[in-house]
Amino acid sequence: QSVLTQPPSASGTPGQGVTISCSGSSLNIAYNYVYWYQKVPGTAPKLLIYRSNQRPSGVPDRFSGSKSGTSASLAISGLRSEDEADYYCAVWDDSLSGAVFGGGTQLTVL
Amino acid sequence: QVRLVESGGDVVQPGRSLTLSCTVSGFNFDDYAVHWVRLAPGKGLEWVALISYDGTDKYYAGSVKGRFTISRDRFGNTAYLQMQSLRPEDTALYYCAKADGSGSGYGMDAWGQGTTVTVSS
Repeated sequence: QSVLTQPPSASGTPGQGVTISCSGSSLNIAYNYVYWYQKVPGTAPKLLIYRSNQRPSGVPDRFSGSKSGTSASLAISGLRSEDEADYYCAVWDDSLSGAVFGGGTQLTVL
Repeated sequence: QVRLVESGGDVVQPGRSLTLSCTVSGFNFDDYAVHWVRLAPGKGLEWVALISYDGTDKYYAGSVKGRFTISRDRFGNTAYLQMQSLRPEDTALYYCAKADGSGSGYGMDAWGQGTTVTVSS
C-alpha cells in the first residue's frame, strides 16, 4: 500500500484528453516536488514532468503537470496510441526520509 | 549526453550478497545525487536508496535498511549498491538514476537500462 494513491487504470480514445491523479499528504506532495514517469514494458522509465510542473526538453507539450495541496495531476491531451503505458508519480516523503512512488496507472488508448 | 550503465546483476541464493555498479557519463557526477530504484516482476516501481552528491547523506527504503548499502566513487564516476542477506522478494530489475539535484527531495531525471537480480535457491 503506497503512501501515494493513483487510479490503477485510465483510458481514452485517440485525440481525447486524460488526467491521472496522484493523492498524497502534507508529508510528501504538499511541500515537495512531484515527478511523473512513463514506463513502457521492456524499456527504462522516462521522465515526463519534473519539479511538479516542468517539462524536460523533448517531451511533447501534450503532457503537463500540476499540483494543488496534497494532490498532483498529469494531464495528457491529444491522446496517441504510443501513449499507452504505465504512468507513475514520485515524491520525497519527509516522514519516511525517502522517495515514494505511486502504485502506477495503466493507460489504455482505445 | 547523460548516460548511466548498471552492471553486476546475477542469480544468487537467499542469504548471499551481491554488489551492483552504476557508471555514469555526460554530466558532472560530483554535483548530483544518485538513486537506486527497482521493478519486481508484476509490481510497480519501488525506490530503494539515495546517496547525496558528496556521499555524506544516505537514505534507504524500509524494506532494505540494514541490508543494503549505497556508496559512490567520484574518481570512477560510479555509484554502488551493496546488497547483503538477499531474499527472494529482492528479485527485481534494478535501475540507477541521476537525481534532479544534489540531495534529498529531488526525483530521478535520467535512468539507466537496469540490471537483473534474481534471488532463488
